[in-house]
Amino acid sequence: EVQLVESGGGLVEPGGSLRLSCAASGFTFSNYWMTWVRQAPGKGLEWVANIKENGGEKFYLDSVKGRFSISRDNAKNSLYLQMNSLRAEDTAVYYCARSPDGVDYWGQGTLVTVSS
Amino acid sequence: QAVLTQPSSLSASPGASASLTCTLRSGINVGAYRIYWYQQKPGSPPQYLLRYKSDSDKQQGSGVPSRFSGSNDASTNVGLLFISGLQSEDEADYYCAIWYSSAWVFGGGTRLTVL
Repeated sequence: EVQLVESGGGLVEPGGSLRLSCAASGFTFSNYWMTWVRQAPGKGLEWVANIKENGGEKFYLDSVKGRFSISRDNAKNSLYLQMNSLRAEDTAVYYCARSPDGVDYWGQGTLVTVSS
Repeated sequence: QAVLTQPSSLSASPGASASLTCTLRSGINVGAYRIYWYQQKPGSPPQYLLRYKSDSDKQQGSGVPSRFSGSNDASTNVGLLFISGLQSEDEADYYCAIWYSSAWVFGGGTRLTVL
């Protein structure tokens, strides 16, 4: 069974940093593109970033370029999102997702709140 | 103009059928893109339903009932999610998405009410 479990969310002040992690199991992690998608409270889905199987290609939402960094450790079956210079508008539930062709499996999400 | 536009809400009766639309921005040809559809219920992550580009390029999500199907209409540049035999459990938010210009783009979502 595919499982994706996010962690690392929490309350952070504007300008602060957080590192999200996603532990994957139930599939061969190194064979799949992986993605972060977020959802602000009461709003729709917004793609944030994705990364190729070997980490060699990465793509980012324009509004997070230069502030967020996606990475992975295939040996640990883990996906990460380093978030710096956080803004109030980054407040959202962040989902880790598998994306071989579209997004087919999603984690339960971790809430990031940016507020003073 | 947004890349993908969805109506904010739709209502239908149990047992009836519903067509959810996803309109692609002018200049983005619906026939050239796989359109992905997701269902999200309150308090839960989205779930993958299906993707559709053509009758020869489509995929049903694992365990997704056949009463969910996709299509497109080139004349109106719209992607469609069709749900037949509506059940109360189909009440949810539905999102379309495409891979466009090296980014995943989601529509704003349609809230389907079954009443």
